[in-house]
Amino acid sequence: DAKTTQPTSMDCAEGRAANLPCNHSTISGNEYVYWYRQIHSQGPQYIIHGLKNNETNEMASLIITEDRKSSTLILPHATLRDTAVYYCIVNAGGTSYGKLTFGQGTILTVHP
Amino acid sequence: EAQVTQNPRYLITVTGKKLTVTCSQNMNHEYMSWYRQDPGLGLRQIYYSMNVEVTDKGDVPEGYKVSRKEKRNFPLILESPSPNQTSLYFCASSVGQPHSGDTQYFGPGTRLTVL
Repeated sequence: DAKTTQPTSMDCAEGRAANLPCNHSTISGNEYVYWYRQIHSQGPQYIIHGLKNNETNEMASLIITEDRKSSTLILPHATLRDTAVYYCIVNAGGTSYGKLTFGQGTILTVHP
Repeated sequence: EAQVTQNPRYLITVTGKKLTVTCSQNMNHEYMSWYRQDPGLGLRQIYYSMNVEVTDKGDVPEGYKVSRKEKRNFPLILESPSPNQTSLYFCASSVGQPHSGDTQYFGPGTRLTVL
C-alpha cells in the first residue's frame, strides 16, 4: 500500500473551512484516496473518496492534485462536532486487495 | 437500519480463557474485516474476508482466528488471550473490496481487557 503522511494535529475556528492535507507520493494509478474520521473511540466514519477527479459530497470536498501525490480534505464550515481524528488512506490492489492500512491520522480540533 | 453490530461491547477476561467477539452486518456485504486500535499505533487490520469461506491475514493476525461460514457474520476468536491483546476492536464491512472504491461501515467497537 502507498504510505500517507498527515500532520499530527490541526486547529480550526468554528464556521471556518478546515483544510486537511495528505501526502501520498508513492500512489499508483489504480489506488483510491479515502478519508475517514473517528470521533473519540467510536467506529471510524467514511467521509469521501476519489481516484483522480475532485469530489464533493454533503460532508466534504476532496481535492486531488494532478500528479495524485497529495490531496486535501476540505470541511467547508467546520463545527465543534467535527473535532475528530481524520485518516487519509490510500488503498492498493496488487496481491492484497483486501488489506487496508490506516496511518496515524490528523487530530482536528475545532474551537469556538 | 443498515448497521454493523458487535458483541459484547465491553469484556474483561483472564489470560488463557477462550473468547469470541461476534460481528454481524445486515447489508449483504461481501467484504468484512477486523481491526484493533491501540494508543499511539492507530488502527491495524487483523483479518479480512472477501466472501464466505474466504479469509486472509491483515497486518497483525497473530493470536487471532476468524471464520466466515455465512455472509452476515464474521466472528473474531481469541483461543488463548494474553494481556497484549487488550485493545479496542472494530469490525467493518463493505459491498466489495476496499481498493475498488467501496466504503467501509464500522461497528461501534468492543473494548477488551485481558488480565
